[in-house]
Amino acid sequence: DGGITQSPKYLFRKEGQNVTLSCEQNLNHDAMYWYRQDPGQGLRLIYYSQIVNDFQKGDIAEGYSVSREKKESFPLTVTSAQKNPTAFYLCASSGTLGQGKTRDYGYTFGSGTRLTVV
Amino acid sequence: LAKTTQPISMDSYEGQEVNITCSHNNIATNDYITWYQQFPSQGPRFIIQGYKTKVTNEVASLFIPADRKSSTLSLPRVSLSDTAVYYCLVAPYSSASKIIFGSGTRLSIRP
Repeated sequence: DGGITQSPKYLFRKEGQNVTLSCEQNLNHDAMYWYRQDPGQGLRLIYYSQIVNDFQKGDIAEGYSVSREKKESFPLTVTSAQKNPTAFYLCASSGTLGQGKTRDYGYTFGSGTRLTVV
Repeated sequence: LAKTTQPISMDSYEGQEVNITCSHNNIATNDYITWYQQFPSQGPRFIIQGYKTKVTNEVASLFIPADRKSSTLSLPRVSLSDTAVYYCLVAPYSSASKIIFGSGTRLSIRP
C-alpha cells in the first residue's frame, strides 16, 4: 500500500547533538514537506522541496537542514543550533491526481516523529 | 497564498450535525479547498476536497458558495470518535505548492 513512512516514531536527543529524522514516500509525489507541531498548536512549515536536488525554507527553517537526493526521500536534520527542538515533526508529500499512486487529492502525511531533548 | 480563518474550538453532542466554517477571502482562481482531520500524535488525514458548490463523500459534505470566500465542512451525526482538530487548507491543486496550515478548529464531542 502506498504512503509515507517516518522513522523513528520517538527520538531522544541530548543537548548539542544533531539528529536526523527519516521520511520516505512511495507515492511518486514530486513535492515533500516538513512541519513542526508544538502541543496544542497548528502546523508550521520548516522546509519544502518541489523537485529532487532543490528545496526552499519555510517559516521556521533556522536550526534545521534538509536534503533531497532522491524523489522518495526527504530527511530532516535537527541541528544543535535549534534551541528548542522538542516537538512533533510531520512529513508530507503532494502530487497531482494521476501522478503515481495518490490516495487523496494531493497531500499525504506521515504518522510523525516525536522528538524530545533530554 | 490564501489565509484561512476558522473558529478555535467547537463543542457538540453525539448524533448532532456539526458545521465548521472557514473564511478565505483572498482565495485564488486555481485554489482548491481541502479539509483535514488530525488526532493527537498522528498526521492529518484527508477528509474532503472541493472547488465550488457542494461535494459529498461517505464521511462529510463540503459547501462552497459562489464567491468561494468561505467554505463549510458538515459532519452528519457526529460520534465521540469525531473529536479531533479540523484544518481548512486552501492551495493550488497541482503539486509543488507551499502548504500553509492555519490553527485549525478543535472539535469536542460529548456523550
